[in-house]
Amino acid sequence: AQSVSQHNHHVILSEAASLELGCNYSYGGTVNLFWYVQYPGQHLQLLLKYFSGDPLVKGIKGFEAEFIKSKFSFNLRKPSVQWSDTAEYFCAVRKWGTGGFKTIFGAGTRLFVKA
Amino acid sequence: GAGVSQSPSNKVTEKGKDVELRCDPISGHTALYWYRQSLGQGLEFLIYFQGNSAPDKSGLPSDRFSAERTGGSVSTLTIQRTQQEDSAVYLCASSLAAPGLGRDNEQFFGPGTRLTVL
Repeated sequence: AQSVSQHNHHVILSEAASLELGCNYSYGGTVNLFWYVQYPGQHLQLLLKYFSGDPLVKGIKGFEAEFIKSKFSFNLRKPSVQWSDTAEYFCAVRKWGTGGFKTIFGAGTRLFVKA
Repeated sequence: GAGVSQSPSNKVTEKGKDVELRCDPISGHTALYWYRQSLGQGLEFLIYFQGNSAPDKSGLPSDRFSAERTGGSVSTLTIQRTQQEDSAVYLCASSLAAPGLGRDNEQFFGPGTRLTVL
């Protein structure tokens, strides 16, 4: 079945550690890719997005993601995490399907950063 | 306010009752989306509106679920004869334009309505 997979459901890191959250999707054709973040008690908000061009995308708060088309992946990275990065992170893929364009979300990864 | 608002924030109901969830999108946003987030699950797409019409209803889980949008603004998601498996957070989002590849249609999310069916 077509899907968006986030491999890690829970990640625990110490401050200053490097972060990489995996995201793979199984849709062929052209897609747009997103990472959303939900901080505790807050709304979902967009972290970064890829439409076309440079496959290395910079987002807010020092996050970046790399689109590797051959691997159907869009992994999220940050060189040095902070306690304030504790949140849930969702990968999303926008694709063309029956009825038009649809955004499909992964199950999310809960990141806890220890101070 | 400038953001997407949803009401109620929490709803507890008994199995078999009907519930209505409301979403007020950002003013001027033509597209509106409903998602469901169950415990440990990602966001499950339910339906989206472009103006008052719903081009894609494929995500609605059953015929107990329906949604409407009036005046190109407020939307209501109705769940009839609620079941315990309907318990979830229902999220609404809006975007300036219709979803399309290569267009900047960032979805802005509301705070959600937490529905608990006893």
